[in-house]
Amino acid sequence: AQSVTQPDIHITVSEGASLELRCNYSYGATPYLFWYVQSPGQGLQLLLKYFSGDTLVQGIKGFEAEFKRSQSSFNLRKPSVHWSDAAEYFCAVNTGNQFYFGTGTSLTVIP
Amino acid sequence: DGGITQSPKYLFRKEGQNVTLSCEQNLNHDAMYWYRQDPGQGLRLIYYSQIVNDFQKGDIAEGYSVSREKKESFPLTVTSAQKNPTAFYLCASSWAGQEGQPQHFGDGTRLSIL
Repeated sequence: AQSVTQPDIHITVSEGASLELRCNYSYGATPYLFWYVQSPGQGLQLLLKYFSGDTLVQGIKGFEAEFKRSQSSFNLRKPSVHWSDAAEYFCAVNTGNQFYFGTGTSLTVIP
Repeated sequence: DGGITQSPKYLFRKEGQNVTLSCEQNLNHDAMYWYRQDPGQGLRLIYYSQIVNDFQKGDIAEGYSVSREKKESFPLTVTSAQKNPTAFYLCASSWAGQEGQPQHFGDGTRLSIL
């Protein structure tokens, strides 16, 4: 069965520091992978997506993610975090007409 | 602008009452989804629909019902059989039959028990 694991429930970083959020997936074929961000009381906004080809994908708001097939991972990164990046981040995999979401990582940014 | 509109933003349910959450999209998407979000549990699929007049149960359909009479609309009814309805409900849509297309989300409805 397909699944998505986000090992870190909560991460705290200082403003200006780099960020990496981890995501591991379980899926037999090449997956379609996504990262979403959710601000409190809001819906999910798409940050970026991976279909195939280049394993490093660029997204909105300065985020990028790297697909590593050997590690079944799709980690989200940002070189310098801004206070406005504080939110909940979800990794998701799409197969057929189903989406499978991780349980999310809550990001706190301290001044 | 195209998007998904959920209403109301906040909803309160009395004991034994059914309540209906609205979801409308103008993205011309075929597929629509309802998720329930609880703290620490991510998103859990309640129902989804790939085409008008057809829908399928998700992982936690018990106590919920849906209809899909129009392409643009996918209302969710939380029935009195749902004993723990307090949660944040998210509606999403996407292109059907095209693997790899992202889901687009509404801003959610927060349901609480009075």
